[in-house]
Amino acid sequence: KQEVTQIPAALSVPEGENLVLNCSFTDSAIYNLQWFRQDPGKGLTSLLLIQSSQREQTSGRLNASLDKSSGRSTLYIAASQPGDSATYLCAVPVSNTGNQFYFGTGTSLTVIP
Amino acid sequence: NAGVMQNPRHLVRRRGQEARLRCSPMKGHSHVYWYRQLPEEGLKFMVYLQKENIIDESGMPKERFSAEFPKEGPSILRIQQVVRGDSAAYFCASSPRTGPEETQYFGPGTRLLVL
Repeated sequence: KQEVTQIPAALSVPEGENLVLNCSFTDSAIYNLQWFRQDPGKGLTSLLLIQSSQREQTSGRLNASLDKSSGRSTLYIAASQPGDSATYLCAVPVSNTGNQFYFGTGTSLTVIP
Repeated sequence: NAGVMQNPRHLVRRRGQEARLRCSPMKGHSHVYWYRQLPEEGLKFMVYLQKENIIDESGMPKERFSAEFPKEGPSILRIQQVVRGDSAAYFCASSPRTGPEETQYFGPGTRLLVL
């Protein structure tokens, strides 16, 4: 069974810092890996999707990398802002019958003004 | 195009009552997924449905829980005889199709509190 782990569980940084969030998974036979953002009391928003054939994806200040062989992904956030404060979740598909996900437990990020 | 809608946003039930959670997928989306987020835990997959069909219910508790996605109307997650351990946030997601290049669009969730 796939297990997805995220470290650290919580992170607090001053505004403007660059930071890295980590995600590891036990079964490397994945179709893709996605990073989501969850704001308190709200649903999830997809940030980046990396297909299994890709090594990284970029969107604005966000860059996600994927190393399938080592079972790791990182989310890099450049020049952090208070609005980046949220919980960040990584997820991998369960099977090829659909794209239901295994989620990590998330990293709670606080960016201090 | 409105996003995924869930109602109610908050639901309070006493032990033994029934809870009905509704999810309206985005327009044009025929794939619906339900997830549960217990306090201090990650999201766990419960069930995957297409119109009138349950595709994968491997994450659903065997008793008291059921889900449907009828031809017309929203998807319903039904919990009978609720217990305190059912208190959680229940999220619905939808997608227009499946495949490795597809993402899911999540609703705001229903927060169920069982007293």
